[in-house]
Formats: sequence, C-alpha cells, structure tokens
Amino acid sequence: AQSVTQLDSQVPVFEEAPVELRCNYSSSVSVYLFWYVQYPNQGLQLLLKYLSGSTLVKGINGFEAEFNKSQTSFHLRKPSVHISDTAEYFCAVSDRTNAGKSTFGDGTTLTVKP
Amino acid sequence: DTEVTQTPKHLVMGMTNKKSLKCEQHMGHRAMYWYKQKAKKPPELMFVYSYEKLSINESVPSRFSPECPNSSLLNLHLHALQPEDSALYLCASSQDRVSLETQYFGPGTRLLVL
Repeated sequence: AQSVTQLDSQVPVFEEAPVELRCNYSSSVSVYLFWYVQYPNQGLQLLLKYLSGSTLVKGINGFEAEFNKSQTSFHLRKPSVHISDTAEYFCAVSDRTNAGKSTFGDGTTLTVKP
Repeated sequence: DTEVTQTPKHLVMGMTNKKSLKCEQHMGHRAMYWYKQKAKKPPELMFVYSYEKLSINESVPSRFSPECPNSSLLNLHLHALQPEDSALYLCASSQDRVSLETQYFGPGTRLLVL
C-alpha cells in the first residue's frame, strides 16, 4: 500500500513569483508519480509524470518536478506563476504492479494574486 | 481528439430515482475509469474497465452499477442513492491499464441527491 502527503493545503503567491508545491509519498515498492491540476468546475489534467530515468521531469505550462528517492519526495515547481495557474493541484502515486490504481494526495490550492 | 465527454453536466435526483451517467471517448483507449470526488477532496477510484471487462471495483455500494457497452462508452447507473452520494463524478480513459499511459479526464457530472 502507498500513501501521499501534500504538505501545504493552501499556497498563496503573487504573480510572477516562483512557487513550490510539496509532495511526500510512502510505499514499500517502486512507484510511478504524477502531478495533476484541476481548474474550477473541470476534470483533472496531467501536468507531468515520473516513470523512470531522469529525476527532473518537465511538464506542461512551465511546471517541473524532481523525484528524490532518498527523501521520498516529488515536489512541483514553477519559476514564475501566472494568474491562470490558480487551481487545485494533486500529487498521485501508483505502484508498478497495479498501475491502473493511483492514490491521490489531499490537494494543494494554489492562489496567484496580482 | 483527446477529449472525454460526460453527460449530463449536472444532475439532481431524489433517493427513489433511477438515472444514468454517460461517458464517451474516441481515442481508441481500452481502459476507462469512474471516480467520485467530494468537494475539496481528491478523486476516489470507483471502477476500472479494461477491454470492456470490469477489472477493479473498489467495494462500491451496489446502488452504483457500471456498464461498458463498447470500447468507447462507459455508463454509471444510479439507483436508490443517498444524500451523501452527492459529488462530482469523473470519468477517465487511458490507452490501457498496465502501461501507465496518461489518463484523460472528462469534465465530470455534478450530482445532487435530495
């Protein structure tokens, strides 16, 4: 079994500032890791995923994340945010033997202020 | 076309009603998913269909009945629901269940049970 902890439930930030959304996971087996974004009244959209290989993963909309196996973390970063990045962000983990079943964190609300 | 469509967008039903949610994709995906999402919470997996066969049922009450009539369609039949079943119901699809290809989510059906 695995679990995901998103360390911040809300992150307010000013436009054009950098942001980091933190995600820690626990699992007894190797995992895949994901970040999703959910805009108001919409479904989830995949930002990026880590399956294997390079620990720095680049995604859409200028986001990137770094997989740190020793710290069991997968933090999401963006160097300069826009008002349009205001949304709910979910970190998710899936073990490699049951790939269709992901465990989601509780989400982080990113609010970008002008 | 990377779109998953869901109908209806909104649904209000009484506890004695029978209704159905519909999900459709034309991406040739062979895995389809139903999730339930309560306000300010992450999505919870309900069912997974792989090649039109039910492969995961997350101990969902029998008042929810999924159906996959063909590879493009996924239905969720609702009967005798409770007010606590009010939520956003999300459908998703992916190339298959094993390879961890990206899951594409629909916009959801917002369900209110009175």
